Amino acid sequence: QVHLVQSGAEVKKPGASVKVSCKTSGYIFTSYGINWVRQAPGQGLEWMGWISPHNGDTHYAQKFQVRGTMTTDTSTSTAYMELRTLRSDDTAVYYCTRGAGLLSDYWGQGTLVTVSS
Amino acid sequence: DIQMTQSPSSLSASVGDRVTITCQASQDISNYLNWYQQKPGKAPELLIYDASNLQTGVPSRFSGSGSGTHFTFTISSLQPEDFATYYCQQYDNVPITFGQGTRLEIK
Repeated sequence: QVHLVQSGAEVKKPGASVKVSCKTSGYIFTSYGINWVRQAPGQGLEWMGWISPHNGDTHYAQKFQVRGTMTTDTSTSTAYMELRTLRSDDTAVYYCTRGAGLLSDYWGQGTLVTVSS
Repeated sequence: DIQMTQSPSSLSASVGDRVTITCQASQDISNYLNWYQQKPGKAPELLIYDASNLQTGVPSRFSGSGSGTHFTFTISSLQPEDFATYYCQQYDNVPITFGQGTRLEIK
């Protein structure tokens, strides 16, 4: 059975960085991509980017190209998303998803990142 | 970026009703359109992929249709567990974009 288990909630100060992990199981990690999607409180879904664990290829949404970095560790089947220079409007639930291509068929449980001074 | 216009933004309906949600893309996306259901405090779940294909395990009362720029999502007979927010998503081009969501409430 496919599972994506994310790291726990984080509270960060403005200007800090956060790194969210997404440990996968139940499928061949390098055969699917990983998307990252976020959702601000009470708002809709926003795609952040995609990474291929197979070869490290990435696609970022333009607003995350400078502050965001997606990586994977194939030895542990884990994906990571780091966001730097955090602002209050980065407060959101961050989701990793398994990408069958760019299609998100399985989702992690979400990680709440709160940015507050 | 491809804009996805979803309507209505909210909808009140009763158990047993037939409900339809529409999603309009700002350009041709072929059939690269998915529908997700999200319940409060939970991650979205994939219901329909490639416009009309039912994800494994999803009840047959859910269906989708359309291609190009105009898409519809239908629940044939609402069940109590269907009251949630629904999102369309295009994945024809990056950046992947979502509709703004339709909140389905109990009348």
